[in-house]
Amino acid sequence: SQQGEEDPQALSIQEGENATMNCSYKTSINNLQWYRQNSGRGLVHLILIRSNEREKHSGRLRVTLDTSKKSSSLLITASRAADTASYFCATVYSGNTPLVFGKGTRLSVIA
Amino acid sequence: DADVTQTPRNRITKTGKRIMLECSQTKGHDRMYWYRQDPGLGLRLIYYSFDVKDINKGEISDGYSVSRQAQAKFSLSLESAIPNQTALYFCATSETPGQGPPDTQYFGPGTRLTVL
Repeated sequence: SQQGEEDPQALSIQEGENATMNCSYKTSINNLQWYRQNSGRGLVHLILIRSNEREKHSGRLRVTLDTSKKSSSLLITASRAADTASYFCATVYSGNTPLVFGKGTRLSVIA
Repeated sequence: DADVTQTPRNRITKTGKRIMLECSQTKGHDRMYWYRQDPGLGLRLIYYSFDVKDINKGEISDGYSVSRQAQAKFSLSLESAIPNQTALYFCATSETPGQGPPDTQYFGPGTRLTVL
């Protein structure tokens, strides 16, 4: 399986702290995406980073990509209770292959 | 996302029954997908379709079949349901690369299926 791996599997932090989640993958990618899932609901796209990019920002989200290490990280700054959710990375290996999702990191932000 | 709808939202059935899960989208996307989600295993791809005449098996297609009735509709069938098919099922759509962000997917709300 080419499925990516998120680390940690679960993370619990206090409101206002930063949350960092990591994703590792196995082969060269076209792009890497992060999704969020609130309990039992459909996934929502957060941010996409292409293989030739090293860092992207979107609001309180910062994503980095290190293609030499085949890894990415998602940083959520100044976390809020509403950020409590599962976060998944997903990789695209070429333009005509579907996304491959990791197993997710479950984030709990305690107020 | 209201642009991608799934019916039913919840279903309880018995072993051996035939079940159809339906997905409709108003986003005008050519690409549609069916995923299964089990606790601790993330999302696994069952089938996908890049246009009306295209059907492809995903990672875990055994025991499932699909039908792409139109650009907007993609159905998943379990011909003879078994208990280990109990899971949360998601439909998703995406644009064709070149027409927008490459393969960003838009998910339906999910169908929770229980096979007794």
